[in-house]
Amino acid sequence: NAGVTQTPKFRVLKTGQSMTLLCAQDMNHEYMYWYRQDPGMGLRLIHYSVGEGTTAKGEVPDGYNVSRLKKQNFLLGLESAAPSQTSVYFCASRPYGQGLNNEQFFGPGTRLTVL
Amino acid sequence: QKEVEQDPGPLSVPEGAIVSLNCTYSNSAFQYFMWYRQYSRKGPELLMYTYSSGNKEDGRFTAQVDKSSKYISLFIRDSQPSDSATYLCAMMGTPLVFGKGTRLSVIA
Repeated sequence: NAGVTQTPKFRVLKTGQSMTLLCAQDMNHEYMYWYRQDPGMGLRLIHYSVGEGTTAKGEVPDGYNVSRLKKQNFLLGLESAAPSQTSVYFCASRPYGQGLNNEQFFGPGTRLTVL
Repeated sequence: QKEVEQDPGPLSVPEGAIVSLNCTYSNSAFQYFMWYRQYSRKGPELLMYTYSSGNKEDGRFTAQVDKSSKYISLFIRDSQPSDSATYLCAMMGTPLVFGKGTRLSVIA
């Protein structure tokens, strides 16, 4: 099992450019999440999905869009990148339900710099 | 009031010290509590997972939950330089609710 993978690992954008971050998981998990992590701010939830074809806003959704067309993939889009979106982005997934077997797994992260 | 409060540190201790990391929370409905460890330039990984109140021990690590005080702790005994990382507490909800993380450095 590859677990949770993220593409790309690094990216530099100019202000106004667009890009899509891809997250893939091979654990058949229902829930998938996109976070950003900035110094002193902890993990902040951008968007999440509770199943194929569903998406929901998290704590900091503005400037981002997401899609979950396939259960194993969760895409995060930046339509017009801004310097404030410079961050490390983490994708995560976990099985449906609550309990000791519902561990949330994280990907390795994507480092994005917007100039 | 934020749902989860965690002292961000940084915390620096000598090798062999006992480390205490703590979080407080406000939602009494939380039943499952987790500690994640995040090494520099890596994604967080689950370290400990406890249900309701009480203690859970795993090697040098002990997780403690006091639901009456809405307070959770992670103790690290005989700390090692390899324990240097950021530790995040988390509460089970949909989605998970994370603390901001405490940065720990163990100095050899």
